[in-house]
Amino acid sequence: KAGVTQTPRYLIKTRGQQVTLSCSPISGHRSVSWYQQTPGQGLQFLFEYFSETQRNKGNFPGRFSGRQFSNSRSEMNVSTLELGDSALYLCASSLVQGSDTNEQFFGPGTRLTVL
Amino acid sequence: AQTVTQSQPEMSVQEAETVTLSCTYDTSESDYYLFWYKQPPSRQMILVIRQEAYKQQNATENRFSVNFQKAAKSFSLKISDSQLGDAAMYFCAYRRYGNKLVFGAGTILRVKS
Repeated sequence: KAGVTQTPRYLIKTRGQQVTLSCSPISGHRSVSWYQQTPGQGLQFLFEYFSETQRNKGNFPGRFSGRQFSNSRSEMNVSTLELGDSALYLCASSLVQGSDTNEQFFGPGTRLTVL
Repeated sequence: AQTVTQSQPEMSVQEAETVTLSCTYDTSESDYYLFWYKQPPSRQMILVIRQEAYKQQNATENRFSVNFQKAAKSFSLKISDSQLGDAAMYFCAYRRYGNKLVFGAGTILRVKS
């Protein structure tokens, strides 16, 4: 069974641009969560999607948005990029939402650099 | 808000020895889940072990075990017979509802041969 895939793996953008990152969950998984990882702030939860609906959102400005498609693939978008948005963006997929035995599987991440 | 604290930024262990990574958390909830994740230099985060707060028995997974002290809000990870492949960043994480994980700052584990 293929794991979680994220595309692209590396991305370089300039300030003010926007970017879209993609995450394909493990086949059959319906929940996708996004995290931002930076040396200064560590791992922070961005948002979670389940059955095409945003179920939970972290404390990030409105420039960060996401969506989930009917095939459970998810995209996150960051508009008006700032230098501080440079980070590793991780996606995690799970079968269902928050059940007792639910395990989240992480993708390899997308490394975003904002110049 | 829930917080997770890992007070050891870096730890070293000799191959075949045992090491314990510390984690404390703050929550007012009684039902929750705790996890240890491993992130090797390749960056793919993988689950090492999980603990349900309602279970008194400490979780174990082969060479990995936890010491879960609910009253003290402490959740340490013990790695026995350390191997070179155990070298990684280890994150302690808390989960209450949904799939939102709250992570600690991480502990870099170095394994010496």
